[in-house]
Amino acid sequence: AQSVAQPEDQVNVAEGNPLTVKCTYSVSGNPYLFWYVQYPNRGLQFLLKYITGDNLVKGSYGFEAEFNKSQTSFHLKKPSALVSDSALYFCAVRVLYSGAGSYQLTFGKGTKLSVIP
Amino acid sequence: SAVISQKPSRDICQRGTSLTIQCQVDSQVTMMFWYRQQPGQSLTLIATANQGSEATYESGFVIDKFPISRPNLTFSTLTVSNMSPEDSSIYLCSAPTPDGYTFGSGTRLTVV
Repeated sequence: AQSVAQPEDQVNVAEGNPLTVKCTYSVSGNPYLFWYVQYPNRGLQFLLKYITGDNLVKGSYGFEAEFNKSQTSFHLKKPSALVSDSALYFCAVRVLYSGAGSYQLTFGKGTKLSVIP
Repeated sequence: SAVISQKPSRDICQRGTSLTIQCQVDSQVTMMFWYRQQPGQSLTLIATANQGSEATYESGFVIDKFPISRPNLTFSTLTVSNMSPEDSSIYLCSAPTPDGYTFGSGTRLTVV
């Protein structure tokens, strides 16, 4: 089965320190991977995606993610965390839903990031 | 990329009643998707909505409980019918874009 896993429910990091939010995936074929962020009482906002090409993907708000095929991982990173980065982060993989015949996103369970001043 | 306006943003409803959630996209999209996010949980796909045909529901979701309309390429509604407290969730619509997928801001539903 195609899936994505976020092993950490919560990540705490001090402001100014680097942050990493982990994601691993299991798909058949080439993965299309995404990171989204959800602030309280808001919808999901797109951060970045990997489809092909350079393994290091740069996205919004200074975030980047590294695709590692051998480890089937797509960890989200930022060199210096801000308090405003505190939010819920979702990793997602595009899968084919055979019933609808369409590609859609399957999400990890989410990781709550808390940046401590 | 496409922007989705979703409403209502939140509602508190009595059990046994129904609520219709609307999503308006600022451009035409072939498909729209409806998700449920239960408290503290991830997003679960409810159904895929194509214009001019019945929605395709995922396992565990049925049309009688979650009827969907898709009258044109920019609009869709999801109705949560005969609500119970277990339906208290955030409901989100989504549409594909060149970047990937865009989401509405969500509807926070509380059933009392």
